[in-house]
Amino acid sequence: DADVTQTPRNRITKTGKRIMLECSQTKGHDRMYWYRQDPGLGLRLIYYSFDVKDINKGEISDGYSVSRQAQAKFSLALESAIPNQTALYFCATGGGSNTEAFFGQGTRLTVV
Amino acid sequence: GENVEQHPSTLSVQEGDSAVIKCTYSDSASNYFPWYKQELGKGPQLIIDIRSNVGEKKDQRIAVTLNKTAKHFSLHITETQPEDSAVYFCAASKRAGANNLFFGTGTRLTVIP
Repeated sequence: DADVTQTPRNRITKTGKRIMLECSQTKGHDRMYWYRQDPGLGLRLIYYSFDVKDINKGEISDGYSVSRQAQAKFSLALESAIPNQTALYFCATGGGSNTEAFFGQGTRLTVV
Repeated sequence: GENVEQHPSTLSVQEGDSAVIKCTYSDSASNYFPWYKQELGKGPQLIIDIRSNVGEKKDQRIAVTLNKTAKHFSLHITETQPEDSAVYFCAASKRAGANNLFFGTGTRLTVIP
């Protein structure tokens, strides 16, 4: 089983809909991250959390929100999806002060 | 903030040849430079990294070199194999924590059998 699991793997949604992307991990890491990947733009940080009570904005947080329900779970919400949020979304974890990120398999989101 | 540029965006090589991917960074305080490999349908995975107190690091067919003065670092893959085909990302960081990683735009490497 994967250490970092994302659901769903693929999703097509309509403009204006609210959508939630889920991430769970079995690595026991305190830190969790949400990234967005677009062709030609690489990986950009949306939000990150260092523990259950900690939420921080990343480079491109507008239009997104997150919740950290437990150490192992970190959810990303698009409150009102728009077409330019069509992208590949990755959840990642990290341990303590370690800089390495452990990525999930990604969620391909299409907003039509 | 940090700006990481990566070249080329696509690279095709014959099996057995070498592949080189180059990255430049803007913040002279950056001191950690990882390389991630993303295979089709999977998330990026760390394959090698280097810190600023080291000029070169090797791991079997993979090596990374760092030139702090010029602020650039490179990934070298020798004796390429079809399974090396993937997208490769470089990144730079000056503080611990994955939230401080700034990624390049990626290089799609294709190894032709």
